[in-house]
Amino acid sequence: AQSVTQLDSHVSVSEGTPVLLRCNYSSSYSPSLFWYVQHPNKGLQLLLKYTSAATLVKGINGFEAEFKKSETSFHLTKPSAHMSDAAEYFCVVSDRPQGAQKLVFGQGTRLTINP
Amino acid sequence: SQTIHQWPATLVQPVGSPLSLECTVEGTSNPNLYWYRQAAGRGLQLLFYSVGIGQISSEVPQNLSASRPQDRQFILSSKKLLLSDSGFYLCAWSFPFPGSSGNTIYFGEGSWLTVV
Repeated sequence: AQSVTQLDSHVSVSEGTPVLLRCNYSSSYSPSLFWYVQHPNKGLQLLLKYTSAATLVKGINGFEAEFKKSETSFHLTKPSAHMSDAAEYFCVVSDRPQGAQKLVFGQGTRLTINP
Repeated sequence: SQTIHQWPATLVQPVGSPLSLECTVEGTSNPNLYWYRQAAGRGLQLLFYSVGIGQISSEVPQNLSASRPQDRQFILSSKKLLLSDSGFYLCAWSFPFPGSSGNTIYFGEGSWLTVV
């Protein structure tokens, strides 16, 4: 069975400083990995995805993530935080049964940006 | 381009009352459709998914049901709501075949349900 562990439930950084949101996964085969962002009372927006192409994945809004198979990690980073980045972030692994996708979600990391 | 619409956005219902949340997808054919629930302070849980009209798979036993009467319409229902049904419900879709784009799930804006 696949699983995802987001190592921090809450991360707080100052505006303009780097962001690191940590994610470890467990999968019995080559996984697809995603990061989604959820702003308050909103749906989930896809930030980026890894699907066995380049291990460094660039997403929207300056975010990127690196797939490290040896460490089973898929950490999300951004060089410089903006106030608008404050949101909940979910690391997700895809279980791909025939005909439909089953996403396994981490518990989420709440990112707070301090002025 | 594809869009997903979900309504109502918010709903306050008494215990024992029925529920109907509706979701439609535009701009694609034969999508896979999903209902997720997000309880307060918790991650997302897959409730139902559908790969075609009338084809519903349930992931967890519960007080809810889903139906797909048309190709791009997905409905979440309950005959009698429980307090524990409160939460944020998200409809989502994906392309029918996995691939570089096909294994991405796209979410709607969600529906807040409060059972009182």
